[in-house]
Amino acid sequence: AQKITQTQPGMFVQEKEAVTLDCTYDTSDQSYGLFWYKQPSSGEMIFLIYQGSYDEQNATEGRYSLNFQKARKSANLVISASQLGDSAMYFCAMRLTADRGSTLGRLYFGRGTQLTVWP
Amino acid sequence: EAGVAQSPRYKIIEKRQSVAFWCNPISGHATLYWYQQILGQGPKLLIQFQNNGVVDDSQLPKDRFSAERLKGVDSTLKIQPAKLEDSAVYLCASSLEGTSYEQYFGPGTRLTVT
Repeated sequence: AQKITQTQPGMFVQEKEAVTLDCTYDTSDQSYGLFWYKQPSSGEMIFLIYQGSYDEQNATEGRYSLNFQKARKSANLVISASQLGDSAMYFCAMRLTADRGSTLGRLYFGRGTQLTVWP
Repeated sequence: EAGVAQSPRYKIIEKRQSVAFWCNPISGHATLYWYQQILGQGPKLLIQFQNNGVVDDSQLPKDRFSAERLKGVDSTLKIQPAKLEDSAVYLCASSLEGTSYEQYFGPGTRLTVT
């Protein structure tokens, strides 16, 4: 079974500082993808960054980077230079990418981390 | 391009009543997903369509939930009869067929069952 664990219910960071949101995952599959989504109070899930299990380099997208440690099964999100608009709920998710039939495509989500950026 | 559209945005019903949610995916997206997000939790997949066929409905409570995507475009999710524990946000997402890994989400429908 696939499982995502986010142990930080809430995080606080001052504007312009960097923050790391933790995510660990559990799967016996070798082929998978890891995602981070942002969910502001409006409710829409916004895709931030993706890391494939076979990618050798950590993914980066602007101010977002994913610290992928495969042996530890962790995929932490690092937000550099935090902005007030970064305040939101952040979800880590996993998707199997090998052809497993009907389970291909499903995203498994963690419980999320509420990030608050203060001035 | 237009995003995933959902309606209504909010719905309040009494238990044992029925309710329906509508989703229009991004044009050209063959895969459509319905997720249920209970307060304080991450979204959980209810059903996945590939064009107008069901790919995965293993977590759909089929005694009360149903969904269809008749023409392979928009989709409807229905609950009948609703229970208190169905109170949640229902998110619709879509993606391109095949190797695309990004799912685009709609704004969701917040359902309150009283």
